[in-house]
Amino acid sequence: TQLLEQSPQFLSIQEGENLTVYCNSSSVFSSLQWYRQEPGEGPVLLVTVVTGGEVKKLKRLTFQFGDARKDSSLHITAAQPGDTGLYLCAVDRGSTLGRLYFGRGTQLTVWP
Amino acid sequence: GAVVSQHPSRVICKSGTSVKIECRSLDFQATTMFWYRQFPKQSLMLMATSNEGSKATYEQGVEKDKFLINHASLTLSTLTVTSAHPEDSSFYICSATRVAGELFFGEGSRLTVL
Repeated sequence: TQLLEQSPQFLSIQEGENLTVYCNSSSVFSSLQWYRQEPGEGPVLLVTVVTGGEVKKLKRLTFQFGDARKDSSLHITAAQPGDTGLYLCAVDRGSTLGRLYFGRGTQLTVWP
Repeated sequence: GAVVSQHPSRVICKSGTSVKIECRSLDFQATTMFWYRQFPKQSLMLMATSNEGSKATYEQGVEKDKFLINHASLTLSTLTVTSAHPEDSSFYICSATRVAGELFFGEGSRLTVL
């Protein structure tokens, strides 16, 4: 059983469409991070959510942390080919800051 | 901004040889660095926590004698894959934390063992 379950695993859409990806768990977290990773590169931090119910926006990306701090979602409005990548959620394993557990990710492909 | 750099970005070696991968924090001192492994189409799996001046802490299931980690300075951690085999072929990624708690990832190093 994965600590973080991400869905869908794969998502292929046309440019201009909206989409939502999810990161779910049965555990409660003090914070959760979203990363985007492109092939052959390391992950890049998009956002950290900390407060239950928190909503953060980053241009066309909207991140939400569940009220119970067990799940999170990432919504992309009017997706563009440049949004293509692997979207990963991650949480601290505790004891040491930066020691992360990653979900399996959602591979997003946006076609022009 | 802060940058974490890995070298080499790609390496190909023969089975049975050892390979060293470097992870450097370029403009900050990193007391703690982390090493991850990522197989194709899979997520990042934490291998170990590297602390400057002390032994690395390995995650369960990671062979410490096979994956040697050295963190000899505040800006450099190295991962040596000893007696590499084809199943060790993977994408190895490091990250480093700055004093303020910010976390930065390297660009990754792709190891192919023939």
